[in-house]
Amino acid sequence: QSVLTQPPSVSAAPGQKVTISCSGSSSNIGNNYVSWYQQLPGTAPKLLIYDNDKRPSGIPDRFSGSKSGTSATLGITGLQTGDEADYYCGAWDDSLSAGQVFGSGTKVTVL
Amino acid sequence: QVHLQESGPGLVKPSETLSLICSVSGGSVRGYYWSWIRQPPGKGLEWMGYLYNSGSTNYNPSLKSRVTISLDTSKNHFSLSLTSVTAADTAVYYCARAEITYNLGSGSRNWFDPWGQGTLVIVSS
Repeated sequence: QSVLTQPPSVSAAPGQKVTISCSGSSSNIGNNYVSWYQQLPGTAPKLLIYDNDKRPSGIPDRFSGSKSGTSATLGITGLQTGDEADYYCGAWDDSLSAGQVFGSGTKVTVL
Repeated sequence: QVHLQESGPGLVKPSETLSLICSVSGGSVRGYYWSWIRQPPGKGLEWMGYLYNSGSTNYNPSLKSRVTISLDTSKNHFSLSLTSVTAADTAVYYCARAEITYNLGSGSRNWFDPWGQGTLVIVSS
Protein backbone atom coordinates (compact mmCIF):
# COMPACT_ATOMS: atom_id res chain seq x y z
CA GLN A 1 0.00 0.00 0.00
CA SER A 2 1.58 3.25 -1.19
CA VAL A 3 1.90 6.28 1.07
CA LEU A 4 0.93 8.60 -1.78
CA THR A 5 -2.45 7.99 -3.43
CA GLN A 6 -2.99 8.25 -7.17
CA PRO A 7 -5.96 7.21 -9.33
CA PRO A 8 -5.30 3.84 -11.00
CA SER A 9 -6.08 5.15 -14.45
CA VAL A 10 -7.10 8.17 -16.50
CA SER A 11 -7.90 8.41 -20.18
CA ALA A 12 -8.64 10.95 -22.88
CA ALA A 13 -8.64 11.34 -26.63
CA PRO A 14 -5.60 12.57 -28.56
CA GLY A 15 -5.15 16.31 -28.24
CA GLN A 16 -7.10 16.49 -25.01
CA LYS A 17 -5.84 17.17 -21.49
CA VAL A 18 -5.52 14.86 -18.50
CA THR A 19 -4.65 15.56 -14.91
CA ILE A 20 -3.28 13.08 -12.39
CA SER A 21 -3.66 13.72 -8.70
CA CYS A 22 -1.27 12.65 -5.96
CA SER A 23 -2.58 12.86 -2.43
CA GLY A 24 -0.36 12.68 0.62
CA SER A 25 -0.03 14.17 4.07
CA SER A 26 1.80 16.84 6.03
CA SER A 27 4.77 14.53 6.56
CA ASN A 28 5.44 14.17 2.84
CA ILE A 29 3.85 16.40 0.20
CA GLY A 30 2.77 18.97 2.77
CA ASN A 31 6.34 19.68 3.86
CA ASN A 32 8.49 18.62 0.93
CA TYR A 33 8.88 18.94 -2.82
CA VAL A 34 7.21 16.59 -5.31
CA SER A 35 8.66 14.90 -8.37
CA TRP A 36 6.92 13.03 -11.18
CA TYR A 37 8.12 10.14 -13.35
CA GLN A 38 6.94 8.66 -16.64
CA GLN A 39 7.38 4.94 -17.22
CA LEU A 40 6.73 3.87 -20.80
CA PRO A 41 5.90 0.16 -21.24
CA GLY A 42 8.91 -2.05 -20.62
CA THR A 43 11.26 0.82 -19.82
CA ALA A 44 12.76 2.51 -16.78
CA PRO A 45 11.07 5.51 -15.18
CA LYS A 46 12.11 8.93 -16.47
CA LEU A 47 12.05 12.20 -14.54
CA LEU A 48 9.28 14.50 -15.80
CA ILE A 49 8.89 17.11 -13.07
CA TYR A 50 11.00 18.06 -10.06
CA ASP A 51 10.64 20.68 -7.31
CA ASN A 52 6.84 20.51 -7.74
CA ASP A 53 6.71 22.30 -11.07
CA LYS A 54 10.07 22.35 -12.84
CA ARG A 55 10.77 20.46 -16.06
CA PRO A 56 14.19 18.96 -16.81
CA SER A 57 15.79 19.89 -20.08
CA GLY A 58 14.12 18.06 -22.95
CA ILE A 59 10.72 17.62 -21.33
CA PRO A 60 8.06 19.39 -23.42
CA ASP A 61 5.95 22.10 -21.84
CA ARG A 62 2.87 19.93 -22.43
CA PHE A 63 3.79 18.45 -19.06
CA SER A 64 3.21 20.58 -15.97
CA GLY A 65 3.20 20.11 -12.23
CA SER A 66 1.64 21.90 -9.31
CA LYS A 67 1.26 21.47 -5.58
CA SER A 68 -1.27 22.71 -3.08
CA GLY A 69 -1.22 21.71 0.57
CA THR A 70 -0.87 17.95 0.81
CA SER A 71 -1.70 17.21 -2.83
CA ALA A 72 0.07 17.53 -6.15
CA THR A 73 -1.11 17.37 -9.72
CA LEU A 74 0.50 16.41 -13.01
CA GLY A 75 -1.09 17.83 -16.14
CA ILE A 76 -0.58 16.65 -19.69
CA THR A 77 -1.98 18.76 -22.51
CA GLY A 78 -2.15 17.95 -26.23
CA LEU A 79 -2.24 14.25 -25.37
CA GLN A 80 -0.33 12.02 -27.79
CA THR A 81 -0.31 8.25 -28.26
CA GLY A 82 3.31 8.28 -27.11
CA ASP A 83 2.15 9.56 -23.71
CA GLU A 84 0.55 6.20 -22.91
CA ALA A 85 2.51 5.17 -19.83
CA ASP A 86 2.45 4.81 -16.08
CA TYR A 87 3.06 7.97 -14.10
CA TYR A 88 4.37 8.09 -10.53
CA CYS A 89 4.64 10.91 -8.03
CA GLY A 90 7.30 10.94 -5.34
CA ALA A 91 8.30 12.89 -2.24
CA TRP A 92 10.37 12.59 0.90
CA ASP A 93 8.46 11.50 4.00
CA ASP A 94 9.52 12.96 7.35
CA SER A 95 7.58 10.52 9.54
CA LEU A 96 9.10 7.93 11.88
CA SER A 97 9.36 5.62 8.87
CA ALA A 98 11.23 8.36 7.00
CA GLY A 99 12.30 7.90 3.46
CA GLN A 100 11.48 8.45 -0.16
CA VAL A 101 7.93 7.44 -0.98
CA PHE A 102 6.19 7.00 -4.31
CA GLY A 103 2.60 7.03 -5.41
CA SER A 104 0.79 3.91 -6.49
CA GLY A 105 1.04 4.89 -10.14
CA THR A 106 -1.51 6.01 -12.73
CA LYS A 107 -1.96 4.43 -16.13
CA VAL A 108 -2.67 7.00 -18.84
CA THR A 109 -4.60 5.65 -21.82
CA VAL A 110 -5.01 7.59 -25.05
CA LEU A 111 -8.38 6.64 -26.50
CA GLN B 1 25.71 12.62 -20.34
CA VAL B 2 25.72 10.24 -17.41
CA HIS B 3 24.67 6.67 -18.16
CA LEU B 4 23.90 3.97 -15.58
CA GLN B 5 23.93 0.22 -16.17
CA GLU B 6 22.91 -2.47 -13.68
CA SER B 7 24.53 -5.89 -13.67
CA GLY B 8 24.32 -9.04 -11.60
CA PRO B 9 22.68 -12.47 -11.33
CA GLY B 10 19.15 -12.74 -12.63
CA LEU B 11 18.32 -15.64 -10.32
CA VAL B 12 18.97 -15.87 -6.59
CA LYS B 13 17.97 -18.66 -4.23
CA PRO B 14 15.81 -17.97 -1.17
CA SER B 15 17.77 -17.07 1.97
CA GLU B 16 20.82 -16.07 -0.08
CA THR B 17 22.22 -12.59 -0.76
CA LEU B 18 21.27 -10.54 -3.80
CA SER B 19 24.20 -8.50 -5.12
CA LEU B 20 24.03 -5.97 -7.93
CA ILE B 21 26.41 -3.40 -9.38
CA CYS B 22 25.54 -0.12 -11.05
CA SER B 23 28.26 1.06 -13.41
CA VAL B 24 28.39 4.78 -14.05
CA SER B 25 29.76 6.18 -17.30
CA GLY B 26 29.97 9.71 -18.65
CA GLY B 27 30.65 11.17 -15.22
CA SER B 28 32.15 10.52 -11.81
CA VAL B 29 30.40 8.90 -8.89
CA ARG B 30 32.10 11.45 -6.65
CA GLY B 31 30.02 14.31 -5.34
CA TYR B 32 26.61 12.81 -5.91
CA TYR B 33 23.96 10.75 -4.20
CA TRP B 34 23.26 7.30 -5.65
CA SER B 35 20.19 5.20 -5.06
CA TRP B 36 18.54 1.84 -5.65
CA ILE B 37 14.83 1.56 -6.41
CA ARG B 38 12.95 -1.64 -7.14
CA GLN B 39 9.67 -2.57 -8.79
CA PRO B 40 7.99 -5.95 -8.26
CA PRO B 41 6.34 -7.29 -11.43
CA GLY B 42 3.15 -5.37 -12.14
CA LYS B 43 3.55 -3.17 -9.08
CA GLY B 44 4.82 0.27 -8.13
CA LEU B 45 8.19 1.72 -7.19
CA GLU B 46 9.92 1.10 -3.86
CA TRP B 47 12.90 3.18 -2.76
CA MET B 48 15.58 1.02 -1.13
CA GLY B 49 18.16 3.55 -0.04
CA TYR B 50 20.80 6.01 -1.07
CA LEU B 51 24.50 6.62 -0.58
CA TYR B 52 26.62 9.74 -0.71
CA ASN B 53 30.27 9.58 -1.62
CA SER B 54 31.26 10.57 1.90
CA GLY B 55 29.99 7.19 2.88
CA SER B 56 26.77 8.38 4.46
CA THR B 57 23.77 6.20 3.76
CA ASN B 58 20.02 6.23 4.33
CA TYR B 59 17.93 3.10 3.93
CA ASN B 60 14.24 2.33 3.67
CA PRO B 61 13.24 1.41 7.24
CA SER B 62 11.38 -1.64 5.96
CA LEU B 63 14.62 -3.01 4.47
CA LYS B 64 17.22 -1.47 6.78
CA SER B 65 18.31 -4.68 8.46
CA ARG B 66 18.95 -6.40 5.12
CA VAL B 67 20.26 -3.78 2.71
CA THR B 68 23.69 -2.27 2.16
CA ILE B 69 24.69 0.22 -0.52
CA SER B 70 28.38 0.86 -1.09
CA LEU B 71 30.55 2.88 -3.42
CA ASP B 72 33.75 2.00 -5.30
CA THR B 73 35.23 5.23 -6.63
CA SER B 74 38.17 3.40 -8.25
CA LYS B 75 35.75 1.47 -10.46
CA ASN B 76 33.22 4.28 -10.74
CA HIS B 77 30.37 2.10 -9.61
CA PHE B 78 28.15 1.49 -6.62
CA SER B 79 26.62 -1.72 -5.31
CA LEU B 80 23.54 -3.17 -3.68
CA SER B 81 23.51 -6.06 -1.26
CA LEU B 82 20.24 -7.50 0.03
CA THR B 83 20.49 -10.41 2.44
CA SER B 84 18.08 -13.24 3.30
CA VAL B 85 15.99 -12.82 0.18
CA THR B 86 12.55 -14.31 -0.31
CA ALA B 87 10.16 -14.50 -3.24
CA ALA B 88 8.86 -11.09 -2.18
CA ASP B 89 12.19 -9.62 -3.27
CA THR B 90 11.59 -10.63 -6.89
CA ALA B 91 11.61 -7.35 -8.80
CA VAL B 92 13.22 -5.21 -11.42
CA TYR B 93 16.04 -3.36 -9.67
CA TYR B 94 16.93 0.13 -10.88
CA CYS B 95 19.89 2.27 -9.96
CA ALA B 96 19.59 6.02 -10.22
CA ARG B 97 21.43 9.23 -9.41
CA ALA B 98 19.63 11.13 -6.71
CA GLU B 99 19.38 14.84 -6.07
CA ILE B 100 18.82 15.33 -2.36
CA THR B 101 18.88 18.67 -0.61
CA TYR B 102 17.13 20.06 2.40
CA ASN B 103 16.10 23.67 2.78
CA LEU B 104 15.02 24.78 6.21
CA GLY B 105 11.53 26.15 5.88
CA SER B 106 10.77 24.68 2.47
CA GLY B 107 11.59 21.02 2.98
CA SER B 108 13.42 18.25 1.20
CA ARG B 109 14.07 18.33 -2.52
CA ASN B 110 14.47 14.77 -3.78
CA TRP B 111 14.43 13.45 -7.29
CA PHE B 112 16.03 10.67 -9.33
CA ASP B 113 17.68 11.26 -12.69
CA PRO B 114 18.99 9.48 -14.66
CA TRP B 115 17.93 5.86 -14.13
CA GLY B 116 19.53 2.67 -15.33
CA GLN B 117 17.55 0.40 -17.64
CA GLY B 118 16.84 -1.99 -14.76
CA THR B 119 17.61 -5.64 -14.19
CA LEU B 120 15.12 -8.35 -13.28
CA VAL B 121 16.06 -10.49 -10.30
CA ILE B 122 14.00 -13.57 -9.58
CA VAL B 123 14.20 -15.25 -6.19
CA SER B 124 13.51 -18.94 -6.63
CA SER B 125 15.01 -22.28 -5.77
